[in-house]
Amino acid sequence: LAKTTQPISMDSYEGQEVNITCSHNNIATNDYITWYQQFPSQGPRFIIQGYKTKVTNEVASLFIPADRKSSTLSLPRVSLSDTAVYYCLVADNTDKLIFGTGTRLQVFP
Amino acid sequence: EPEVTQTPSHQVTQMGQEVILRCVPISNHLYFYWYRQILGQKVEFLVSFYNNEISEKSEIFDDQFSVERPDGSNFTLKIRSTKLEDSAMYFCASSDGLAGGSYNEQFFGPGTRLTVL
Repeated sequence: LAKTTQPISMDSYEGQEVNITCSHNNIATNDYITWYQQFPSQGPRFIIQGYKTKVTNEVASLFIPADRKSSTLSLPRVSLSDTAVYYCLVADNTDKLIFGTGTRLQVFP
Repeated sequence: EPEVTQTPSHQVTQMGQEVILRCVPISNHLYFYWYRQILGQKVEFLVSFYNNEISEKSEIFDDQFSVERPDGSNFTLKIRSTKLEDSAMYFCASSDGLAGGSYNEQFFGPGTRLTVL
């Protein structure tokens, strides 16, 4: 059974950079890695997606090593409003979509 | 900005009853998904749907579940003979391409909280 694991929780202070890693050993060869943010009682919201190396958009960067068995979401200069649960999403080698275990990020002032 | 909508926001039902959860995906999207999230746990994939048929389904999506796109706008999840353990938040999502396999993001609805008593 494919497992996609993340640290359970992380704490940070406003203005710091936060890096959240997801391990996805059984990722399908042709599939992308997507990261979502979820606030309480809301649906997940897309943050960033990539296939390999590095991707950057206006809110985050995503680092993917050559073997693609992990990925790291980088949030520059977090604010209190970034307090949320962050999930990676991959398709495994049976094409099933698998959310990671989720990382609860708490940002302190 | 277009969004995915879901109704009802909260559904309470008795064990053994059938429920239908409704979703209106974003109008030009072609791929539709259902996920569930048990309280305090991660989001779990149930099923993906494209071109009026199921593309993929998880082990959770057994004969108790079915999906349908009855018209050009709605996408429904039917749960037959509900069990206590079906209590969860159910999210619908849509994308304009196959999520995971191409550069497309899924847009999630606000969810339906199902409570089975």
